[in-house]
Amino acid sequence: DIVLTQTALSSPVTLGQPASISCRSSESLVGRSGNTHLSWLQQRPGQPPRLLIYDVSKRLSGVPDRFSGSGAVTDFTLRISRVEAEDVGVYYCMQATHFPRSFGQGTEVEIK
Amino acid sequence: ELHLVESGGNWAQPGGSLRLSCAASGFTFSDDTFNWVRQVPGKGLEWIAHVGLYTQNIHYADSVLGRFTVSRDNARHLIFLQMHNLRDEDTGVYSCASGLTFLDHWGQGVRVTVSS
Repeated sequence: DIVLTQTALSSPVTLGQPASISCRSSESLVGRSGNTHLSWLQQRPGQPPRLLIYDVSKRLSGVPDRFSGSGAVTDFTLRISRVEAEDVGVYYCMQATHFPRSFGQGTEVEIK
Repeated sequence: ELHLVESGGNWAQPGGSLRLSCAASGFTFSDDTFNWVRQVPGKGLEWIAHVGLYTQNIHYADSVLGRFTVSRDNARHLIFLQMHNLRDEDTGVYSCASGLTFLDHWGQGVRVTVSS
């Protein structure tokens, strides 16, 4: 089974500053079709998860453009260009290339 | 807009059974696939089951394989999770989520508590 390992942010983030979260997979997430089904979800306190990015870098309609995704094969990154107060929450990467599906353990974004 | 609403959450003793339902509305149900995901309060997300367009296309996490059964009723726009032989570690909030290669819509979830 595939294990996704996320990095923790080293400290709370200052409003307006960038933040990056890394997600590393134990195996390649490139599927037989050539697509890489790695997505990023945001979970605000008390809310269900919300999809932000899918297929590594495709932003869902309505997601602010300060969120971007990048990476390939086993190493992926979610970047927030300028953190806003509403970005507080836990961010998860998820792979849907292979069954069983799997999530990273989550990375909390806190504001300084 | 797509809406998913779970029901059936409850308390059960270890070894007991529960059946969760997820009602879907706002889209063409038969064109979409669904997943069950659980979350222990204060912990992360755990994917547990997927049901495809056809009930032959079903997958489970190892932690629930042989104990949980996922199914769908296309006529009534419902997804089910039948849970047997429940364990303490099955306690959590269970959510249904739509999608095959990404999970784009989520319900609010229902709480399942397993304890003696």
